[in-house]
Amino acid sequence: GEDVEQSLFLSVREGDSSVINCTYTDSSSTYLYWYKQEPGAGLQLLTYIFSNMDMKQDQRLTVLLNKKDKHLSLRIADTQTGDSAIYFCAESIRTNFGNEKLTFGTGTRLTIIP
Amino acid sequence: AAGVIQSPRHLIKEKRETATLKCYPIPRHDTVYWYQQGPGQDPQFLISFYEKMQSDKGSIPDRFSAQQFSDYHSELNMSSLELGDSALYFCASSLLGSSYEQYFGPGTRLTVT
Repeated sequence: GEDVEQSLFLSVREGDSSVINCTYTDSSSTYLYWYKQEPGAGLQLLTYIFSNMDMKQDQRLTVLLNKKDKHLSLRIADTQTGDSAIYFCAESIRTNFGNEKLTFGTGTRLTIIP
Repeated sequence: AAGVIQSPRHLIKEKRETATLKCYPIPRHDTVYWYQQGPGQDPQFLISFYEKMQSDKGSIPDRFSAQQFSDYHSELNMSSLELGDSALYFCASSLLGSSYEQYFGPGTRLTVT
């Protein structure tokens, strides 16, 4: 997580928008990702964005990428109690083999206030 | 839709014992990745395989080894277990040409006492 940084905690009122931020250091990242982890569960791939894009929208999720500042954000519209989880930002570097090697951030714990 | 299957889901071992974790990728996925997530930490990449061949290597200790079989399932073998090996071990799978879409299994929680 040292190359990918996130705030540890975020609290949001139900129905409001949540914005989770992430900064990364490697300018050669090919993709940036958001994963969701609920308590005791695995990592769910929420969305990803190619490093040449600056925005991607998927239903309630909006990803913004500022490549110049190496800043990635995830906006969740109309936040619901089911959105409570830890959100991991990740970047990937293409290896010599051709795989995308993921490096994760520390995770942001999103808490929804009723 | 079928997901990545990992077994066992929970495992308790004593120090210096060995453990074997199994991963069954999503059907038709040919690449498997292993990650380790310590308590309160982010997942760390350990190793990956494509067509039974090791493709990339991360921070995997020498005490650990892994392999991929002809049916694409993979096993992570851990020997001389230490207390610090207690973690959640994730397997992920993808198609080689689509490794930007890695789908994770539910994880195996290993506790070393």
